[in-house]
Amino acid sequence: EAEVAQSPRYKITEKSQAVAFWCDPISGHATLYWYRQILGQGPELLVQFQDESVVDDSQLPKDRFSAERLKGVDSTLKIQPAELGDSAMYLCASSSGILTATYNEQFFGPGTRLTVL
Amino acid sequence: AQKITQTQPGMFVQEKEAVTLDCTYDTSDQSYGLFWYKQPSSGEMIFLIYQGSYDEQNATEGRYSLNFQKARKSANLVISASQLGDSAMYFCAMREGRANSKLTFGKGITLSVRP
Repeated sequence: EAEVAQSPRYKITEKSQAVAFWCDPISGHATLYWYRQILGQGPELLVQFQDESVVDDSQLPKDRFSAERLKGVDSTLKIQPAELGDSAMYLCASSSGILTATYNEQFFGPGTRLTVL
Repeated sequence: AQKITQTQPGMFVQEKEAVTLDCTYDTSDQSYGLFWYKQPSSGEMIFLIYQGSYDEQNATEGRYSLNFQKARKSANLVISASQLGDSAMYFCAMREGRANSKLTFGKGITLSVRP
């Protein structure tokens, strides 16, 4: 069964360091989402891609976060410099992006758990 | 106002019994979808069930059913015949407008199944 892949699964870093997370969506999925989930909360969207284009990055702290999906397939989310408040689970999800699809459910990867010391 | 409200802090259910997890939502869109996801302690989000705003029948998927009351803006998840493996966090989420729009999640409910 096709899955969304993410790496690393866990990352510990010190504040002011740079970190990067990688996501490989399900093959053929045009839409890719990065969510951040703070402990005890539900996920919140950071950035959404349709193919290689950013559709929504209104909640992305652009002074320190960046995201790219250069060839419209896999994606990288970067934080530089990391702050203590960035400690969270970073979830990647993908969907087919077919606008006429009823479900068009989002399939989530296992997440990257980031701890900033 | 919060778009998705899940107010139950934690729920306990005896194995093999049914349990209802509450979710209310707020939107002015006519076209929207409601989702329930399960998140075990391992962290992955597992899709459970979907209800479209125009669906007249309540959605069902195996032991999961969604009690959709559109006028009251509620979309409660019912799990029948609870199993120990159902112990997890459960999130209600809403997608407004286009089919590839983002999901807006509630804060989640912790469900613990007792043997």
